[in-house]
Amino acid sequence: EADIYQTPRYLVIGTGKKITLECSQTMGHDKMYWYQQDPGMELHLIHYSYGVNSTEKGDLSSESTVSRIRTEHFPLTLESARPSHTSQYLCASSEPQRGNNEQFFGPGTRLTVL
Amino acid sequence: GDSVTQMEGPVTLSEEAFLTINCTYTATGYPSLFWYVQYPGEGLQLLLKATKADDKGSNKGFEATYRKETTSFHLEKGSVQVSDSAVYFCALRHRNTGGFKTIFGAGTRLFVKA
Repeated sequence: EADIYQTPRYLVIGTGKKITLECSQTMGHDKMYWYQQDPGMELHLIHYSYGVNSTEKGDLSSESTVSRIRTEHFPLTLESARPSHTSQYLCASSEPQRGNNEQFFGPGTRLTVL
Repeated sequence: GDSVTQMEGPVTLSEEAFLTINCTYTATGYPSLFWYVQYPGEGLQLLLKATKADDKGSNKGFEATYRKETTSFHLEKGSVQVSDSAVYFCALRHRNTGGFKTIFGAGTRLFVKA
């Protein structure tokens, strides 16, 4: 059973605030990902990490930043939230093995910036 | 560029009806293909996958066949249940120079009436 957690599940915040979305997994997976999804739209990869101290930007440009100090933890930070950041943010992890491309997703954080 | 196109929803069916959700893709190389399901209030879950041409993925009565000649991965189920009501995402994933890349379709919402 995959265990990957995200907090908070829902967040409503004012413009200009700094926020951190938490993501943690207990599977010991090296690879972790952040996706952004607007309702009814495609998911987009915004950050990924191959392991501790490894972070890369994804397909979609994002003003957020991430860190990977511990294997199990991959937080995403917005220094100054804006209404355009309103979206759902999905965290995922995987342990790629030969022929295995499964990603395990967290429940998501729905962010609303007023 | 890579893309995934799936039929627009919502799709509304009566219980025990036959389901088809079309999915076509464009990609370089040989991506892996996935169907994910998202139940109300929950994160994405992997429903089934296929990693090479002519593979058939199946799970919970759903199945999809990787058709390279038609670049398709249509999802089918012979007899849907009310509990199948959810949003279904078709996705492809492959490795490029920047690392693993995952592309999701826009999602197809399925309503099943009793």
